[in-house]
Order: sequence, then C-alpha cells, then structure tokens
Amino acid sequence: GAGVSQSPRYKVAKRGQDVALRCDPISGHVSLFWYQQALGQGPEFLTYFQNEAQLDKSGLPSDRFFAERPEGSVSTLKIQRTQQEDSAVYLCASRLAGVRTGELFFGEGSRLTVL
Amino acid sequence: SQQGEEDPQALSIQEGENATMNCSYKTSINNLQWYRQNSGRGLVHLILIRSNEREKHSGRLRVTLDTSKKSSSLLITASRAADTASYFCATDGGSNYQLIWGAGTKLIIKP
Repeated sequence: GAGVSQSPRYKVAKRGQDVALRCDPISGHVSLFWYQQALGQGPEFLTYFQNEAQLDKSGLPSDRFFAERPEGSVSTLKIQRTQQEDSAVYLCASRLAGVRTGELFFGEGSRLTVL
Repeated sequence: SQQGEEDPQALSIQEGENATMNCSYKTSINNLQWYRQNSGRGLVHLILIRSNEREKHSGRLRVTLDTSKKSSSLLITASRAADTASYFCATDGGSNYQLIWGAGTKLIIKP
C-alpha cells in the first residue's frame, strides 16, 4: 500500500483478554518499529525488527507483550491478559533502510482501551 | 526513557504569527528530526537535520541545531489553522536505528 496501515484503529478489551494489533508497513521497508504512546506524551519504544529479525525488544513492558514479523513484512503485536495500564495508542512505523536513522513513516495507530 | 525535551509544553498563537518550539537532548547525535502529529493521527516527518548542519529550511519551516548546547529549534512562519498539532523532536542518540522522543509541544493556532 501507499502508507503504513494499522488495524484495528480502536480496540476495547476487558481486563484479562488477549489482543492482537496488526501493522502492514510500506512494501520493501526493512525496519519496523512498535511504539506505545500515552495521552499527551511522546512515543515510547517497544521493539524493533530488521526484516524478520527482532533485534531489540528491550522496550516491551512485560512478558505479556509479544511481537513478531515472520515474513519480514506484516507485524503483529500481541498483548496477553491485558491490564488497565496497557491502555494507550500503539504506533507502528517503518523505514526503508535497515541501519542509520532516517525518516520514519507512521501508521495511524491502534487505540487500546482496557476496561 | 525520553531524551528530548520540548518547550514550551503548549503554545497558543494567532493565525499569521510565527511559532517557535525548542528541543533539548542529552547525548551526542548523528541527526535530529522533527515530526508533527495531528490529534488522533500518526506522526508525520517534517525535517531532518544532521549533526554537521546548523540550519535547514523546508517551506515555512526553519530548523536550527546547536550541538554545543544540545538543542534545536523549530520555527513555523506565517502560521495557519492547519498547523494546529503536537510537534515532537527525535534524536538518534548515536544509535544505528533507534530514535528517542520528547514529550512534544502542543501548538494551537487561533483563527
């Protein structure tokens, strides 16, 4: 597609439910990032993929968070046993290059509300 | 943790005026970027300035970088209502891939 696509845009989950958030990056983009953004704050790094390899998952808040990008394109962020503190906007971004920082292309985000 | 700190946290000006936002960071960098985020949307890249550059222009945007002070400023000239958004700076902190973000400046342009 023309841009980074995320789905669902909005998700309401009951505490304890599992959720899966999908990111479809720009075709051919090597790097893929997941960020968590709280209201009124900047993005907080969660994890980074270079093609299918997850090179950095240091930002994942707990072992309830899991991300994958099995074929080096679409990525899924899974949150198990959701808690209220998981409520946030989850942003996906991709970049053409594998190394060296440069322009990131963001999706519109998935807003997760945990009741 | 966030490295960049933008100030002011919020800025409200009249349409047509210039808006200046500042960003400070802590570690050495290869480059610094500015992004815009409209309410409820994703971030959009505005401009990238490399550590060996001091000033860069793009349309109504002017970015300066002072590596000795570890700071950058974003100037939007002749502001428009459509410029209402949050603006974030992001630095690479010398990393090969990661960006570190500030908390942003919320800009409101009053018609």
